[in-house]
Amino acid sequence: QSALTQPASVSGSPGQSITISCTGTSSDVGGYNYVSWYQQHPGKVPKLLIYGVGNRPSGVSNRFSGSKSGSTASLTISGLQAEDEADYYCGSYTRSVTWVFGGGTKVTVL
Amino acid sequence: QVQLQESGPGLVKASETLSLTCTVSGGSISASGYYWAWIRQPPGKGLEWIESIYYSGSTYYNPSLKSRVSISAHWSKDEFSLRLTSVTAADTAIYYCARCGDGPRDFDIWGQGTMVTVSS
Repeated sequence: QSALTQPASVSGSPGQSITISCTGTSSDVGGYNYVSWYQQHPGKVPKLLIYGVGNRPSGVSNRFSGSKSGSTASLTISGLQAEDEADYYCGSYTRSVTWVFGGGTKVTVL
Repeated sequence: QVQLQESGPGLVKASETLSLTCTVSGGSISASGYYWAWIRQPPGKGLEWIESIYYSGSTYYNPSLKSRVSISAHWSKDEFSLRLTSVTAADTAIYYCARCGDGPRDFDIWGQGTMVTVSS
């Protein structure tokens, strides 16, 4: 199975909005609403940010939102803050009853 | 609340077998509706799902690793284990265990991770 495709890096100024894309196939992202997003700060454990395409776990800021169109999912961070500087990974359940992650996107706050 | 903790050797020789255990506290791995997974992250690289075991005992493997990995559970101890054979330097990584809910199919709880280095 191939990794989902994410841009290597995305940057923005404080207060701006940025969007990270995650492209898969009809066997994973396009076939199920089981897309999740994870935030990982350097040296830390990945943290679930979004599940089921667009749902936020309790405690996650509403500045983070997720969506999907066809086989491409997106994570939008609104009102960008310095603390949002981190690596972001998308993940998806697949038709083969396996899971696949994206290569990760480094978000830089300018 | 549910917590996961990985344990095992931090150094493994090339061609040998890597074995890690994940101990779950605050919950039972036999509880219906959950998968229990191993995920790894090589230094400076992204996440890679390795394998999962369902509360029913069904197992699932990454096709690229399937010939070398296995997952098992010690249900009464609330532990599950990873076994990776014929390791090489490419298997050097932080290994995480994680919980995955049957509904959302996401990894909502992670262990702290354990660094495993393969030496030649």
